Amino acid sequence: DTEVTQTPKHLVMGMTNKKSLKCEQHMGHRAMYWYKQKAKKPPELMFVYSYEKLSINESVPSRFSPECPNSSLLNLHLHALQPEDSALYLCASSQATGRHQPQHFGDGTRLSIL
Amino acid sequence: AQKITQTQPGMFVQEKEAVTLDCTYDTSDPSYGLFWYKQPSSGEMIFLIYQGSYDQQNATEGRYSLNFQKARKSANLVISASQLGDSAMYFCAMREESDTNAGKSTFGDGTTLTVKP
Repeated sequence: DTEVTQTPKHLVMGMTNKKSLKCEQHMGHRAMYWYKQKAKKPPELMFVYSYEKLSINESVPSRFSPECPNSSLLNLHLHALQPEDSALYLCASSQATGRHQPQHFGDGTRLSIL
Repeated sequence: AQKITQTQPGMFVQEKEAVTLDCTYDTSDPSYGLFWYKQPSSGEMIFLIYQGSYDQQNATEGRYSLNFQKARKSANLVISASQLGDSAMYFCAMREESDTNAGKSTFGDGTTLTVKP
């Protein structure tokens, strides 16, 4: 069982809907990440939170809004998404952002935009 | 220039045999970490093994070992005694010291490994 829990596992939404993806870890990690992954491609970094502060936004469109309510939780709020936003969204955590820190990933949320 | 290169889009191996997945990297930072992740078709990315740029010995974790050749900037993953459950996509990734505060990792394009019975 993964130590990073993502919900929901699958999500289908229309372009006008508002939904949220949730991620939780209880490993005491202080860095959390959102990635977007298209089929058979590497994951693309979207956001990094370090000690609950947003440290990286990889020029992600504003229709994606991250939130880190506490050190264990990470949300990704979705609004007015486009069909090209359909992808696997992966959450990850690591003890910190150091070069020797492996990331632990959740199972992902498979998002489909109608 | 691509920082991480995985030249094998797909690989086949017979069950119980060993297989090497190639990874070369490019960085001017003397301090970096190299990682291998496994992603089954179910989607979860699983951390397999880590090698630090200053580590003198090659990393090993069970059936996984990392053939680290610093001068050639290569970090190949060796899987011994392949099992059917090893069939997955494998990503090589690097994290540079200069990006420490940012937390960025660079991923290669991946290699799809298929283990034949």
